[in-house]
Amino acid sequence: QSVLTQPPSVSAAPGQKVTISCSGSSSNIGNNYVSWYQQLPGAAPKLLIYEDNKRPSGIPDRFSGSKSGTSATLGITGLQTGDEADYYCGTWDSSLSAVFGTGTKVTVL
Amino acid sequence: QVQLVQSGAEVKKPGASVKVSCKASGYTFTSYDINWVRQATGQGLEWMGWMNPNSGKTGYAQKFQGRVTMTRNTSIRTAYMELSSLRSEDTAVYYCARGLAVDYWGQGTLVTVSS
Repeated sequence: QSVLTQPPSVSAAPGQKVTISCSGSSSNIGNNYVSWYQQLPGAAPKLLIYEDNKRPSGIPDRFSGSKSGTSATLGITGLQTGDEADYYCGTWDSSLSAVFGTGTKVTVL
Repeated sequence: QVQLVQSGAEVKKPGASVKVSCKASGYTFTSYDINWVRQATGQGLEWMGWMNPNSGKTGYAQKFQGRVTMTRNTSIRTAYMELSSLRSEDTAVYYCARGLAVDYWGQGTLVTVSS
């Protein structure tokens, strides 16, 4: 169902950096803003990044977003145990449907 | 602060319908679309559709066309999502979420479809 492809999992030690890729097409990422969401176990998704690289109030600058062409990337620096969660990218499609990524599980070693 | 508070868990039999509510507070209800997204256990996020609370206009994912209806009651700042002809594969947590940026999410409503 997901039209945006993410790696199933990434991991790193505390304090290190991870990046999560999100690959789409010209009908979605290529022509629309990308958002990123963090979903802690048992919780609703929470917005981390919107409009490709903007952080809502209260989101630390350890989280960053970027986009190039039909792909987007979420970066997390200074990794903490509290960052262990599932992360999803999301955007809109030319058919006016929202689409989400396949999801990436971040593990802090 | 912006809040979306959803109705409680539901258990339904196959073939039945379910109606989930989403009460908004902390912002002007009619100024932002409401999206509905579902998530089966251990699975990813699946967008179902959107509704404009001001006009009542809706847009549904093709997968749910004919089975989903999104409505609202502006006097009580509440959006509704009704899914009919339920089957076991519809067992999931259903979320409402605000706007084009999909920025604020409700706490989720577990819908279990079981005979």
